[in-house]
Amino acid sequence: GESVGLHLPTLSVQEGDNSIINCAYSNSASDYFIWYKQESGKGPQFIIDIRSNMDKRQGQRVTVLLNKTVKHLSLQIAATQPGDSAVYFCAEKLGGNNRKLIWGLGTSLAVNP
Amino acid sequence: NAGVTQTPKFRILKIGQSMTLQCAQDMNHNYMYWYRQDPGMGLKLIYYSVGAGITDKGEVPNGYNVSRSTTEDFPLRLELAAPSQTSVYFCASSSYRDYNEQFFGPGTRLTVL
Repeated sequence: GESVGLHLPTLSVQEGDNSIINCAYSNSASDYFIWYKQESGKGPQFIIDIRSNMDKRQGQRVTVLLNKTVKHLSLQIAATQPGDSAVYFCAEKLGGNNRKLIWGLGTSLAVNP
Repeated sequence: NAGVTQTPKFRILKIGQSMTLQCAQDMNHNYMYWYRQDPGMGLKLIYYSVGAGITDKGEVPNGYNVSRSTTEDFPLRLELAAPSQTSVYFCASSSYRDYNEQFFGPGTRLTVL
């Protein structure tokens, strides 16, 4: 079946380093890919999205890269801070009028001081 | 704005009992969603609504029911609770224009014994 999954379940980085979180997807019909951050004990929080016809999108300290050839999505966090410690989910939205998201399993990011 | 609110925060049910999880949003969002999140997993969509009076099934609707009589409220009903329904339940909402950015409530942790 269709699925969204993550390469690495856990990632540990030093404060100040850049973090890269990867995601593989299998549904070519998705028109948006979205990253969410979930801190412990809280609901997910939207970070950034990218439309399927784009390769790159930048936000505040974050960059999303989309490689449709290999169906790969990544989230880069610059100068990682302790407040970035969380579980990061990629999600995909199927095309058309569909408003539902299909969620990946998540990657836990731990930032070491 | 309170955003998305959920009650209760925690609940323990016995097998066969029923309950309603409450969800309300004050952002005048058209879309509302109910998810469940099992430990170490991503989110699974239970039901969603595109507006008052309109609901539709998600990936895992069995054992649940919803209603949407107003724009603000989207309660989730569990009938005949089973241990498999032990999970954390999140309600979310999004606007018609920015539907990729879902706003989540704090979650309800449900245990069925």
